[in-house]
Amino acid sequence: GEDVEQSLFLSVREGDSSVINCTYTDSSSTYLYWYKQEPGAGLQLLTYIFSNMDMKQDQRLTVLLNKKDKHLSLRIADTQTGDSAIYFCAESPKGSGNTGKLIFGQGTTLQVKP
Amino acid sequence: EAQVTQNPRYLITVTGKKLTVTCSQNMNHEYMSWYRQDPGLGLRQIYYSMNVEVTDKGDVPEGYKVSRKEKRNFPLILESPSPNQTSLYFCASRGRIQGWNEQFFGPGTRLTVL
Repeated sequence: GEDVEQSLFLSVREGDSSVINCTYTDSSSTYLYWYKQEPGAGLQLLTYIFSNMDMKQDQRLTVLLNKKDKHLSLRIADTQTGDSAIYFCAESPKGSGNTGKLIFGQGTTLQVKP
Repeated sequence: EAQVTQNPRYLITVTGKKLTVTCSQNMNHEYMSWYRQDPGLGLRQIYYSMNVEVTDKGDVPEGYKVSRKEKRNFPLILESPSPNQTSLYFCASRGRIQGWNEQFFGPGTRLTVL
């Protein structure tokens, strides 16, 4: 079945790099996403990667996709206190074009210490 | 401003008292969805709608109803709420021709059922 797994918590020091990992089971997913949820707020799309790509970089964010291992990671360079939030990995499974369905991981809480 | 709005943002109610959470989008989007977010479980889709008068069940539809009488609105109805429906609820929308990077989420509704 469809499943997305993430570790629940990550703590880093300001200025360090953060790496949030995610594994998924549906190899037919066309897009994989990273969403950010700040306290009391909704979900903000951070970045996404198409399934035929290995890497995508967007300013401080780098997404790596290993299709063989079904592993997705988000690297945040020079992590700031404003990056403290919950980060969700999500995939759009095959056939989801008609359902609007995204499969979300449990969310990783990133704590950035000054 | 393009947005998805939800009301109320916070609600405390008692078991069995019918309630409706409203969702409205101003982007003329065809697709709308409801998700619930629970700690350690991520977001799970409750119901989705592909267009006016077209709705279908997501992964966790039990205890919920929806309607789509107008394109902009997609209310979530709990006919007889129970404590296990205490959760954070998100509405989402996207247009039929846009890609998944165009999916918008509302700010969330925190529901407590006593």
